[in-house]
This record gives sequence, structure tokens and C-alpha cells, in this order.
Amino acid sequence: GAVVSQHPSRVICKSGTSVKIECRSLDFQATTMFWYRQFPKQSLMLMATSNEGSKATYEQGVEKDKFLINHASLTLSTLTVTSAHPEDSSFYICSARGQRYGYTFGSGTRLTVV
Amino acid sequence: AQRVTQPEKLLSVFKGAPVELKCNYSYSGSPELFWYVQYSRQRLQLLLRHISRESIKGFTADLNKGETSFHLKKPFAQEEDSAMYYCALSGRNAGNMLTFGGGTRLMVKP
Repeated sequence: GAVVSQHPSRVICKSGTSVKIECRSLDFQATTMFWYRQFPKQSLMLMATSNEGSKATYEQGVEKDKFLINHASLTLSTLTVTSAHPEDSSFYICSARGQRYGYTFGSGTRLTVV
Repeated sequence: AQRVTQPEKLLSVFKGAPVELKCNYSYSGSPELFWYVQYSRQRLQLLLRHISRESIKGFTADLNKGETSFHLKKPFAQEEDSAMYYCALSGRNAGNMLTFGGGTRLMVKP
């Protein structure tokens, strides 16, 4: 079956620094990848949709200059949280969509900004 | 705009009892509906999708377009079914992105 690897699973960073989260589709090509954010005891909220080779589409209220998304290849998308602040602390989950397997999720990244 | 509503945040049943997790949606067009499950400390994984009309781990869900519902059912709950369940919708109108409901935590007591 399809596997999506998300790394790191947990990261702690200082305020003002940037953090990069990687999402890789291991055994399939993902033309589209999605980035979600999940606050405690809440559902997944879509942040942005990234298509390989083109600019990401951000949901309303998501700052594209703060959450930089790069989908450079059919198997890799990265989310960079720039100039992180404590309110950016959250659980970030990526999802990759392939032709055959539909949506497959990464295991998530817990970001803590101190 | 597409929207998914799961009215129950928590559902607690005893082992062997029937389970129904409710899901209602709003979407103009023909959506694709999914149920995802997240077991403790594990990633979100697909449980079933309406177009495949299959039963997974004893769970079934029927798309009712008249009531715009996609309730998840299982006749006899097992303790290992305890998890978070998310109903999700995808449609061409919104670039095929998934919209999730708020999730329902199912607790199956022994």
C-alpha cells in the first residue's frame, strides 16, 4: 500500500527561528499534497494544497509568507514555518494524493515553539 | 462551501453493542465521502470510502443523498474499535481537497 513519511515527528524550536517539515511519498508519485494543522481536541484544518511544480494554494487565513510550501518533486513536499512563534505550536499533518491510493497521511509533526 | 458535521464528540458503548457514528455534509454537487480512523498514537488511516461500498473491520457506511448523511455503523462493537473517527468529504468543486468533520471519539467499554 501507499506510505507517506513525515519528518520530523517532533520538534522544539526557539521563537524567531524557522522549522522545516518534510513529507515524502515512499512508493507512489503524489501529484498533490496537502498540509493540515490540528489543534488539541480539534479536527484537521487544511492549510494549503501543493501541486508539484507550481505554487501552493493557501486556505483563507493562512499566511503564505509564514508557512512556505515547496513541492519540488512528485515525492516530496516541505512546509517551512518561518519566524516561529509560540502560537504556531501545533500538530502538522501532511497528506499525499496519488492516482491509485487516494489520500494517504503522514504520521504528523508536533511543533513546540518556546 | 463544503462542510462536514459530526454532531457527537464522544460516543461510549459497551462491547457487543451496535455503534452508529453520525456524519452530515453539505456540498453542491456529487461528493466523495470517506471515513478515517486514528487509533491511539497512530497516524490517520482510511477506513472506508463510499464509492467502494465495502465493509472494513465490520464497519459500513451508506451515502444518503436525500439526508446528506454518511453515517458509520457496526452491529457489534469491539474494544479494539476504540479510536477517533473522522468523516471527510472531497469534491471536484474544491480541487479535490479533503474537508474533515470535527471527529468523534469512540470508546468501547468491556
